[in-house]
Amino acid sequence: DGGITQSPKYLFRKEGQNVTLSCEQNLNHDAMYWYRQDPGQGLRLIYYSQIVNDFQKGDIAEGYSVSREKKESFPLTVTSAQKNPTAFYLCASSIGTDNNQPQHFGDGTRLSIL
Amino acid sequence: AQSVAQPEDQVNVAEGNPLTVKCTYSVSGNPYLFWYVQYPNRGLQFLLKYITGDNLVKGSYGFEAEFNKSQTSFHLKKPSALVSDSALYFCAVRDMGGATNKLIFGTGTLLAVQP
Repeated sequence: DGGITQSPKYLFRKEGQNVTLSCEQNLNHDAMYWYRQDPGQGLRLIYYSQIVNDFQKGDIAEGYSVSREKKESFPLTVTSAQKNPTAFYLCASSIGTDNNQPQHFGDGTRLSIL
Repeated sequence: AQSVAQPEDQVNVAEGNPLTVKCTYSVSGNPYLFWYVQYPNRGLQFLLKYITGDNLVKGSYGFEAEFNKSQTSFHLKKPSALVSDSALYFCAVRDMGGATNKLIFGTGTLLAVQP
């Protein structure tokens, strides 16, 4: 079945540690996105990528980094510079850009601080 | 600035009654609007979208939404609620600022359907 796989489902970070969240899709989608979800705030865009080897900052990129070396993969690194990383992180993809197809979401990674 | 507002944090409805989850938007130009549903500890699932055409859009699981340009609203509706409809619902509008499919999300409305 086609879809988006996020791993791990739960992740714990120690002080000063970088952690990487995995996002893989087999939908052959060009565009991929990372969101952060906090209670009562909806989803906020961290980074997005419209094509391999290219990505742009979203609304809350500080303290995060991404790479897009392969079409199917868009990992997110939460760096030690992100002082409040506890949140639910969602990865999404869409067929392409500049069209009106919906985004498809993975089941998220919940990140907590030890 | 483009934005989406969901004025109700929570909507309570009895099973079998009609439900409405409200959404208003502010965009320049014609809006592209979406509704998603999220169950606990899961990702968002696409329900329906409005791009152009008929103001009443039908989607998954018996949901529909009515686009009202004069009121800048896109309310989600269902004629008869089920307990299994209890979830978090998000309205979103496409960011018209560039050639991307970036979405701007509302803060979500928790729908609670009582048996």
